[in-house]
Amino acid sequence: DVKVTQSSRYLVKRTGEKVFLECVQDMDHENMFWYRQDPGLGLRLIYFSYDVKMKEKGDIPEGYSVSREKKERFSLILESASTNQTSMYLCASSSNSFRLGYEQYFGPGTRLTVT
Amino acid sequence: AQSVTQLGSHVSVSEGALVLLRCNYSSSVPPYLFWYVQYPNQGLQLLLKYTSAATLVKGINGFEAEFKKSETSFHLTKPSAHMSDAAEYFCAVKDGDTGRRALTFGSGTRLQVQP
Repeated sequence: DVKVTQSSRYLVKRTGEKVFLECVQDMDHENMFWYRQDPGLGLRLIYFSYDVKMKEKGDIPEGYSVSREKKERFSLILESASTNQTSMYLCASSSNSFRLGYEQYFGPGTRLTVT
Repeated sequence: AQSVTQLGSHVSVSEGALVLLRCNYSSSVPPYLFWYVQYPNQGLQLLLKYTSAATLVKGINGFEAEFKKSETSFHLTKPSAHMSDAAEYFCAVKDGDTGRRALTFGSGTRLQVQP
């Protein structure tokens, strides 16, 4: 069974703290993604990675950075957390295979509250 | 650029009634289209996907969707709603084989099922 896991389900941090969100996939997928989900806005892409050490900015990268040192692991970093980064964060992975239809597999999400 | 519009942020149906959730997309090349479901406090789960084979796509839990190129639509239907269908549903699009690797999501439709 395919699996994407995220390090925390719920996280509470203070303004200005450095925050690490970790994601691990066991499907040997090339692509990994970080989205944030806010009511009425759907999912918005923060960053994605298409290979180890490779990354591209998504639609809302400001205030975030990422790291992918191993194929199975993709980390999202909030350098200095702010209250407007309170949100649900979802990690996903996908294969480049046309045969697999490019579908993305999602982790359970991390609900981050910044106070 | 890709975009996805889901008409109706909230839809309420009676148990046993038809479910119809609307999705319209824009894409510059033949798209891949997806419907995902999200239950409370969980990640997204794939319901079904269109990858340029049959235009009527059957998914899990009795859901299906029809790709209509002339209307740029990919509406999700289920003949008879069940209480367990109450969840949030997201439509997503990916531009063909050469488009960006990430999916573009709609803003979501929350389905309520009344007894």
